[in-house]
Amino acid sequence: EVQLVESGGGLVKPGGSLRLSCAASGFTFSNYNMNWVRQAPGKGLEWVSSIGTGSSFIYYADSVKGRFTISRDNAKNSVYLQMNSLRAEDTAVYYCTRDTAMIYWGQGALVTVSS
Amino acid sequence: EIVMTQSPATLSVSPGKRATLSCRASQSISSNLAWYQQKPGQAPRLLIYRASTRATGIPARFSGSGSGTEFTLTISSLQSEDFAVYYCQQYDKWPPITFGQGTRVEI
Repeated sequence: EVQLVESGGGLVKPGGSLRLSCAASGFTFSNYNMNWVRQAPGKGLEWVSSIGTGSSFIYYADSVKGRFTISRDNAKNSVYLQMNSLRAEDTAVYYCTRDTAMIYWGQGALVTVSS
Repeated sequence: EIVMTQSPATLSVSPGKRATLSCRASQSISSNLAWYQQKPGQAPRLLIYRASTRATGIPARFSGSGSGTEFTLTISSLQSEDFAVYYCQQYDKWPPITFGQGTRVEI
């Protein structure tokens, strides 16, 4: 059974940092592109970042470029999102997903940016 | 960036009736379109990919059609568990991957 489990969410002050992790299981992790998608409270879905199988490509939404860094560790079956210089508008549930047609989603990690 | 526009924003339908949701892309995306269902407090669930292919385990009452810039998700006979928010997403010309703003299907 495919599972994606996010961790690392929490409350952080504006300007602070947080690192999200996503642990994958049930499939050959190294063979798949991975993504982060977020959803602000009461709002729609927003793509944040994608990383290729061997980190062959890395893309970011303009809203997070220069502040967020995606990475992966195929030996640990994990993908990460390092979030720096956080703003109130980054408050959201962050989902880890697989593939560009996102068949698998984690349960989400809530990130709250507030003083 | 490709802009995805969904209509209507809210669709009021009675159980057992047919629901038709629309999604328009600002430029052609071939058939590289997915539909998701999201219920409160849950992660989205993939319903349809490649515009018309049902994901594993998705009931046959869900169907997708269209190509280019105009797409439709049809729920042939609404069940109580189908009341949710539905999103379309393009993955043809990316980055960025873009989503529509969602259509809420309510009673």
